[in-house]
Amino acid sequence: SYELTQPPSVSVSPGQTARITCSGDALPKQYAYWYQQKPGQVPVLLIYKDTERPSGIPERFSGSSSGTTATLAINAVQAEDEAAYYCQSPDSRGTYWVFGGGTKLTVL
Amino acid sequence: QVQLVQSGPEVKKPGSSVKVSCKTSGGNMSTYSIDWVRQAPGQGLEWMGAIIPMFRKVTYAEKFQARVIIVTDDSTNTTSMELSSLTSDDTAVYYCARDPFVVEGGKYYYNGMDVWGKGTTVTVSS
Repeated sequence: SYELTQPPSVSVSPGQTARITCSGDALPKQYAYWYQQKPGQVPVLLIYKDTERPSGIPERFSGSSSGTTATLAINAVQAEDEAAYYCQSPDSRGTYWVFGGGTKLTVL
Repeated sequence: QVQLVQSGPEVKKPGSSVKVSCKTSGGNMSTYSIDWVRQAPGQGLEWMGAIIPMFRKVTYAEKFQARVIIVTDDSTNTTSMELSSLTSDDTAVYYCARDPFVVEGGKYYYNGMDVWGKGTTVTVSS
């Protein structure tokens, strides 16, 4: 079955840029989506269709995709950005959705 | 403002089934799918399946294909997910989420799960 691979953890100091990657064989032809989930809370959509940002999401959050890797970048990281981040994308035929395993972002 | 209101927590015995409902209020459901995502304690998100109410189109993850049913009731704007043959591994929070889409050239383009229910805790224990 199709898999999306994320690093389990990323650490960054406040004010720096955090980059979280998501690798999958179907990403060259399928969009990636990104969600943020803080402990005890519901996931929040951050990025859709690789690069689009829903209204209300700060411009500090951006997405990109190249080849088999999609990337979520968080500029000027703040303490409040400490959370789990999940990528999501469909399989190559667009039949079903898959989530990556999640990346825990720690703000040092 | 669209809201998804889920049913309350459930405690089930191994081998039984559970049905979780998700009522939509405040929006037009014609161009959305309702997706079901679960999260086991301390684990990540896992997509289970989805339904497009307007078309009655249902898709299930391979892992759950044999024991999950997702249906929708237009009269009450409610989507339900039933999972059977429960084991302790099914203990999780179950979320429903709205995923808007457009259809172009016969292909669906989704805008991401932008509204989520608060989750329903299902505990499977003997």
